[in-house]
Amino acid sequence: RKEVEQDPGPFNVPEGATVAFNCTYSNSASQSFFWYRQDCRKEPKLLMSVYSSGNEDGRFTAQLNRASQYISLLIRDSKLSDSATYLCVVNTNAGKSTFGDGTTLTVKP
Amino acid sequence: DTEVTQTPKHLVMGMTNKKSLKCEQHMGHRAMYWYKQKAKKPPELMFVYSYEKLSINESVPSRFSPECPNSSLLNLHLHALQPEDSALYLCASSQAYGTGYGYTFGSGTRLTVV
Repeated sequence: RKEVEQDPGPFNVPEGATVAFNCTYSNSASQSFFWYRQDCRKEPKLLMSVYSSGNEDGRFTAQLNRASQYISLLIRDSKLSDSATYLCVVNTNAGKSTFGDGTTLTVKP
Repeated sequence: DTEVTQTPKHLVMGMTNKKSLKCEQHMGHRAMYWYKQKAKKPPELMFVYSYEKLSINESVPSRFSPECPNSSLLNLHLHALQPEDSALYLCASSQAYGTGYGYTFGSGTRLTVV
């Protein structure tokens, strides 16, 4: 079993849709959690850190469920520009970062 | 300045060549990283420098040699690479090496070994 697992998708949604991605992790010692987005042939960019209380940034909401060991990313009112690969990253208390394989989102007109 | 700058953006090298990739950040970050990324795969960690000292080497072959001349600069020296080493090489930095810090990535060097 992989340490960090994501549904690879692809997710194909119309503009304006709400879409949610989940990411599960196996190491219960994991301490911090992040979502990155990566556009085709570009570098990953930090989208959000994920906090225990959940956090929101505009149309994006991230949640953490420690008991079930998963994090989620919700995108509301999808835009064409949201099309990208979304990478889940989990850090252990030793600082080691593990990347999920990514979930591909395509938003269509 | 909130950027990580990598040069060159593209590099084609022969298997007998020696070349270097360069990375620079001026955000005062004390941790710097080299990642390798193949198409449709997530980045794979190669090296971590923390406070200019090599902290982690993820069993990378010796044909890749990292160097951290100062807190702002990170190099990756390449020698006798193989075609399978062709990939996107990403430099990243974070405030410190530890649990709570996200990365800032550079735009990468796209390396082709012929």
